[in-house]
Amino acid sequence: GQQVQQSPTSLVLQEGENAELQCNFSTSLNSMQWFYQRPGGSLISVFYNPSGTKQSGRLTSTTVIKERRSSLHISSSQITDSGTYLCAMRYNVLYFGSGTKLTVEP
Amino acid sequence: EAGVTQSPRYAVLQEGQAVSFWCDPISGHDTLYWYQQPRDQGPQLLVYFRDEAVIDNSQLPSDRFSAVRPKGTNSTLKIQSAKQGDTATYLCASSLGRGREQYFGPGTRLTVL
Repeated sequence: GQQVQQSPTSLVLQEGENAELQCNFSTSLNSMQWFYQRPGGSLISVFYNPSGTKQSGRLTSTTVIKERRSSLHISSSQITDSGTYLCAMRYNVLYFGSGTKLTVEP
Repeated sequence: EAGVTQSPRYAVLQEGQAVSFWCDPISGHDTLYWYQQPRDQGPQLLVYFRDEAVIDNSQLPSDRFSAVRPKGTNSTLKIQSAKQGDTATYLCASSLGRGREQYFGPGTRLTVL
């Protein structure tokens, strides 16, 4: 079945540092999506159906569908960026990775 | 526009008890999904509907879980005889068509003691 691998599992940064999150897919995919989730919170879409490189504020997604990988770059991290970042492949339904838990400390 | 709403937000049960979760999708969205998210894991699809029809329930433990969407709008997910392994957050999502962007509700956090 479809598998989604995310790395790292967890990451601790000092405020202002950059983060690079990775997502790899075991099979070919139609597209993928990045989500953000606070503890006990809902899933918030960060990037929907990205291909190539897309930027939204301090977040940049780089996706290479043919190579079955995507990365999420967070620049100049802030304490409010803390939470879990999940990637998912879209193949009619969503298949999620286990997430990267990001903690940004002052 | 109102988002996906779910209730209750929290539930605590003893093993063997039953519980129902309710989901109200975004108005006009024909496709509705139920996901189970254990602690520190990503969500996993349980079942999804197109209007009132079940499209895929292959991951739904059929002996204790059931899901309905009788009028193609709201949906109910029920667990009979809950087990400790059912402890998780249950997320509902909806979309306008299969394979289109999904919008998630706040989830119901279930603890089975």
